[in-house]
Amino acid sequence: ILNVEQSPQSLHVQEGDSTNFTCSFPSSNFYALHWYRWETAKSPEALFVMTLNGDEKKKGRISATLNTKEGYSYLYIKGSQPEDSATYLCASRSGNTGKLIFGQGTTLQVKP
Amino acid sequence: GAGVSQSPRYKVAKRGQDVALRCDPISGHVSLFWYQQALGQGPEFLTYFQNEAQLDKSGLPSDRFFAERPEGSVSTLKIQRTQQEDSAVYLCASSLAGLTYEQYFGPGTRLTVT
Repeated sequence: ILNVEQSPQSLHVQEGDSTNFTCSFPSSNFYALHWYRWETAKSPEALFVMTLNGDEKKKGRISATLNTKEGYSYLYIKGSQPEDSATYLCASRSGNTGKLIFGQGTTLQVKP
Repeated sequence: GAGVSQSPRYKVAKRGQDVALRCDPISGHVSLFWYQQALGQGPEFLTYFQNEAQLDKSGLPSDRFFAERPEGSVSTLKIQRTQQEDSAVYLCASSLAGLTYEQYFGPGTRLTVT
């Protein structure tokens, strides 16, 4: 994998459903993996930064896991709510540079 | 406390005009980044400052793009002779020094070149 890729591109779920998205990234020279939530007309909100293989992080109903050896991360949302509707971006930081390489994002719509 | 702010939030420019986009980072944040997000794409890195030093400008798409941060705080991204392909959302982010810190983003400036 040369680029950061996210799937699916978009997702529609009913309120109360649990859902998950995938982020694939280059495993060579990996340094950190970032997840952001971006609502329309607002600033992207930082959710998690993960660096170690096997890392698991949780914030409320949202959690994320990291596999640096195979180059993927999963983001899980338990019991989706309409306010979870947003675009979820992952970004990889490699080597010792500060720049983030972003995926295209997964747009989630939660219907009441 | 105040987050990252950007101005203007929206800018419409006629092709060929010069534009200047401003970023006010979080106070005390040493690192500052600019990203460009074209429609339907993820943000793409443009340039990076540590204090007033521009350490990486590898993402600037052409010599029409210029960024500065003269006093190590506020930064300006300038685009000369704008083209339609410059239409995008321009995001600024700041962070503390060190690679494990979060980058905190502003709301972006949406530039439309007509």
